[in-house]
Amino acid sequence: DTGVSQDPRHKITKRGQNVTFRCDPISEHNRLYWYRQTLGQGPEFLTYFQNEAQLEKSRLLSDRFSAERPKGSFSTLEIQRTEQGDSAMYLCASRKGGAGFTEAFFGQGTRLTVV
Amino acid sequence: GESVGLHLPTLSVQEGDNSIINCAYSNSASDYFIWYKQESGKGPQFIIDIRSNMDKRQGQRVTVLLNKTVKHLSLQIAATQPGDSAVYFCAENPLRQGAQKLVFGQGTRLTINP
Repeated sequence: DTGVSQDPRHKITKRGQNVTFRCDPISEHNRLYWYRQTLGQGPEFLTYFQNEAQLEKSRLLSDRFSAERPKGSFSTLEIQRTEQGDSAMYLCASRKGGAGFTEAFFGQGTRLTVV
Repeated sequence: GESVGLHLPTLSVQEGDNSIINCAYSNSASDYFIWYKQESGKGPQFIIDIRSNMDKRQGQRVTVLLNKTVKHLSLQIAATQPGDSAVYFCAENPLRQGAQKLVFGQGTRLTINP
């Protein structure tokens, strides 16, 4: 257990429905990341928060995707009008801030299946 | 552009042997690299990291080698055990470009044969 919690672990939804995932990072970590991972591929960066500010978004993050981190602690990732292509593992990671890059800890992920 | 790739998608070794997993990266601005291990159904687990001002770093049974001249990274696992079976990813952070994200490669599946 890395200390990063994600909920739910699995989600099956019908195409067109909205889904929301939650990530609770390690408490002293002010940097939070969302990644998406499809079968046989490495994780792909979606978005990044420093405290409550969303500082970077990937082009992968279409307008159907929105992420928030309202109090600089937990974060949510919402997908609206889900499509079958959204089926993937959604991973959250967190790390401490400061100069240079430091080890990022990943949660267990939320596996989304759109049927 | 950014890309991190691997030479081999699969690797099988005998239990007790040493294994070497290779990774090529293309962004010369990357100055921080991490190896992650991912078991089925789980998130990536940190193994070892290395900064660009180093060419070797050792951990418990693992060693990472960085060759900046040819943009190559390798992970050596000594005396492999069944629990080492997993997919291994290298990832880079081009911090000098101000990036705050990790860029992952495709991964290598390591299988340990008894």
